[in-house]
Amino acid sequence: KAGVTQTPRYLIKTRGQQVTLSCSPISGHRSVSWYQQTPGQGLQFLFEYFSETQRNKGNFPGRFSGRQFSNSRSEMNVSTLELGDSALYLCASSGTEGTEAFFGQGTRLTVV
Amino acid sequence: GESVGLHLPTLSVQEGDNSIINCAYSNSASDYFIWYKQESGKGPQFIIDIRSNMDKRQGQRVTVLLNKTVKHLSLQIAATQPGDSAVYFCAGWDTGRRALTFGSGTRLQVQP
Repeated sequence: KAGVTQTPRYLIKTRGQQVTLSCSPISGHRSVSWYQQTPGQGLQFLFEYFSETQRNKGNFPGRFSGRQFSNSRSEMNVSTLELGDSALYLCASSGTEGTEAFFGQGTRLTVV
Repeated sequence: GESVGLHLPTLSVQEGDNSIINCAYSNSASDYFIWYKQESGKGPQFIIDIRSNMDKRQGQRVTVLLNKTVKHLSLQIAATQPGDSAVYFCAGWDTGRRALTFGSGTRLQVQP
């Protein structure tokens, strides 16, 4: 059974640009969560999707958004990139909330 | 709200010794906890989980202990190997946010 797949693995963007990251969850998993990981802040929750609906959102500005498709694949978008958005963005999938959450390898975003 | 933290940022052990990584949580309503291992350049890898109706759970070379009275978790790794060198995170399920809240992580260094 394939794990969580995130693409691309690495991205370099310029301040002010926007970026879209993709996550394919484990087959059969309908919950997808996104996290931002930085050395200073650790792992922070961005948002969670289930059956194409965003059920919850962390304390991030509106520049961070996401969506989920009918096949459970999810994308997150960051608009008007800032240097501080440089981070490892991680996606996790779960079959049911409050159960095992499996992470992808992450997308390393560098904003210059 | 939930906060999950770790007592020690770095733990250095000799190969073959047992390792104990500790974690404290503040939200007594958390009923599910996970330990993750993260190697450099990779996403967090699920190690073991435990629900609040349990005190102990064992896996292959790993044991998680949960003390609800003092809101404390520990991860014990038996016969630590060089391949165990990584950052270890505990995470608690936040029912309200439908998200995992992560601790800051402990770096485990295994000395040959």
